[in-house]
Amino acid sequence: DGGITQSPKYLFRKEGQNVTLSCEQNLNHDAMYWYRQDPGQGLRLIYYSQIVNDFQKGDIAEGYSVSREKKESFPLTVTSAQKNPTAFYLCASSIVRGRFPGPQHFGDGTRLSIL
Amino acid sequence: GQQLNQNPQSMFIQEGEDVSMNCTSSSIFNTWLWYKQDPGEGPVLLIALYKAGELTSNGRLTAQFGITRKDSFLNISASIPSDVGIYFCAGPKGGGSEKLVFGKGTKLTVNP
Repeated sequence: DGGITQSPKYLFRKEGQNVTLSCEQNLNHDAMYWYRQDPGQGLRLIYYSQIVNDFQKGDIAEGYSVSREKKESFPLTVTSAQKNPTAFYLCASSIVRGRFPGPQHFGDGTRLSIL
Repeated sequence: GQQLNQNPQSMFIQEGEDVSMNCTSSSIFNTWLWYKQDPGEGPVLLIALYKAGELTSNGRLTAQFGITRKDSFLNISASIPSDVGIYFCAGPKGGGSEKLVFGKGTKLTVNP
């Protein structure tokens, strides 16, 4: 079945440690996105990529990094510079259709906590 | 920047009741998306709207793209316990951007 797979489901980070969240899609979508979700808040965009080897900062990119070496994969690294990393992280993908974005489809998320 | 205001923030209803929620913006949107998120999972797309005045149904769910293009409505008829979750509206940030802006969600609780 086509879909978006995020792993791991739960992740714990020690102080000063970088951690990488995986996102893989087999929907043949061009665009991929990373969001952060905190309780009581909407989704906030961290990074997005519309094409392989290119990505753009979202609204809250500080303390995060990404890569897009393959169309299917868009890993997110939460660096030690991100001082408040505890959150639910969601990956999404969409087709690119000219002026209008195709609806984004989401993975099931990774919950990151600090040890 | 563009913001989406969702109302109400939370709803507590009895099973079998109908539900209405809305999403408003200070600027025009050319697409409206409605998502539902279950606890601990990612949002799932319910309905996509692309034309002002459009009314689209998905089972017991009906969504409308407001005529002014600054609002959208989601109705759920005859609610059931599995309707529990957070409902988000979303739309493109403008200028043909691929980025979406999301409302903060309406949390729905259904009492059996």
